[in-house]
Amino acid sequence: EDQVTQSPEALRLQEGESSSLNCSYTVSGLRGLFWYRQDPGKGPEFLFTLYSAGEEKEKERLKATLTKKESFLHITAPKPEDSATYLCAVQSRGAGNQFYFGTGTSLTVIP
Amino acid sequence: DSGVTQTPKHLITATGQRVTLRCSPRSGDLSVYWYQQSLDQGLQFLIQYYNGEERAKGNILERFSAQQFPDLHSELNLSSLELGDSALYFCASSAPGGWNEQFFGPGTRLTVL
Repeated sequence: EDQVTQSPEALRLQEGESSSLNCSYTVSGLRGLFWYRQDPGKGPEFLFTLYSAGEEKEKERLKATLTKKESFLHITAPKPEDSATYLCAVQSRGAGNQFYFGTGTSLTVIP
Repeated sequence: DSGVTQTPKHLITATGQRVTLRCSPRSGDLSVYWYQQSLDQGLQFLIQYYNGEERAKGNILERFSAQQFPDLHSELNLSSLELGDSALYFCASSAPGGWNEQFFGPGTRLTVL
């Protein structure tokens, strides 16, 4: 069964304290792995797509990496405005290319 | 702004009622996806349409139905509403090709009293 698990559920960081969020997945044929940011009460905002193991993408203080079993979202020197829930999703080759979302990591960056 | 629009933003209704949520995808996108997000729960995939045809079904209740019209906008119909249907409902769209990233709308917050 296709599954996505994110850890930790919640993370509190001091401003400037770098860390990583984890997304572990099992999927019958990976089409792509996607990272989103979601602010409370808002729609998820697309961040990155990763397609194959070894691939890396960067955007400002965020860097996403992918292995055959998991993905990491590294946050370097975070700022309070990075506080949000970060969602990971995988797209399977089966079942109509369906997306499977994890439950997210809630990040709080304290000034 | 993702380019995906949803109306209404908020909807308050009573148990047993029926409501319709509307979504317009980004210009050029042919796929529309519907998701439900309850408090403390992740995004649950409901249904996908591609160019007017149903493409994939997730955990969508029989009381719920959707369709995509020739102008590519989509509607999600929720009937015989229950308290547990209170949630955020999101629509997303993606470009032709089938495995591109999805862009989400701002959501409709449904409250069933």
